[in-house]
Amino acid sequence: NAGVTQTPKFQVLKTGQSMTLQCAQDMNHNSMYWYRQDPGMGLRLIYYSASEGTTDKGEVPNGYNVSRLNKREFSLRLESAAPSQTSVYFCASSDHSGARTDTQYFGPGTRLTVL
Amino acid sequence: QKEVEQDPGPLSVPEGAIVSLNCTYSNSAFQYFMWYRQYSRKGPELLMYTYSSGNKEDGRFTAQVDKSSKYISLFIRDSQPSDSATYLCAMSANAGGTSYGKLTFGQGTILTVHP
Repeated sequence: NAGVTQTPKFQVLKTGQSMTLQCAQDMNHNSMYWYRQDPGMGLRLIYYSASEGTTDKGEVPNGYNVSRLNKREFSLRLESAAPSQTSVYFCASSDHSGARTDTQYFGPGTRLTVL
Repeated sequence: QKEVEQDPGPLSVPEGAIVSLNCTYSNSAFQYFMWYRQYSRKGPELLMYTYSSGNKEDGRFTAQVDKSSKYISLFIRDSQPSDSATYLCAMSANAGGTSYGKLTFGQGTILTVHP
C-alpha cells in the first residue's frame, strides 16, 4: 500500500496563477483533509471531507477550493495564488469504522512557493 | 489564545537524556490525545494515541494525560539521535459514527538529540 500520495512535491507559482494539488489514498478511508503548515503555526486545517460527496471548511479556507473526486481522491485548488499561500501543504485521511477513529495518516507534503 | 499551546523549542539534549514534551489546552471537550512525529521534509506520523486521562507506554515513549489540568506530556527515555524530529500534539473532541475526527494541533516542538 502506498498510503497517502500527493503531487506535485514542489511547485513555484507567480502571484495570480492557479494550480491544483492532488491527493490520493489507497486505505479505503472515508475522511480526507487538507492542511497547511507554516513555521510556528503548526498544522492548520483548510478543508475536509467527512465522506465521499461532502466537503466543509476548516480553520483557514479563504483562497482555496476543494473537490472530493471519489472516495480515493481529494484535490485542493488555488484559483489566484498569493504570496501568503506560500506554505507546505499536507493531505491526510482517516477511517471512522475502527477503535482508533481519529488517527490521521499524512502524505509527504507539497512545498509551494508563490512569488 | 490558541486552543492548544505547545512550546516550539527548539530543544537540544544529549543522547541518553530523558525528554519531556508538553501541551496545554483550553477545550474541556477534548478526550482523544495524540502525539505525532515529523521528520524533516516528511509528513507527520502517529506516535502515541491515548483516550481520556492516564498513562500509556510504548517502548521508550510514555504519554500522559491530565484532563483536570488540561495538560498532556510525552516522555522519551534514553533518547537517541534518531529521535531528532518535530513533535506535534493533537487532540479531538469526538470520534466514531458519522462524525469526522477533527484534530486540533499544537505548534510543534523541534527536538535535536546530539551524540
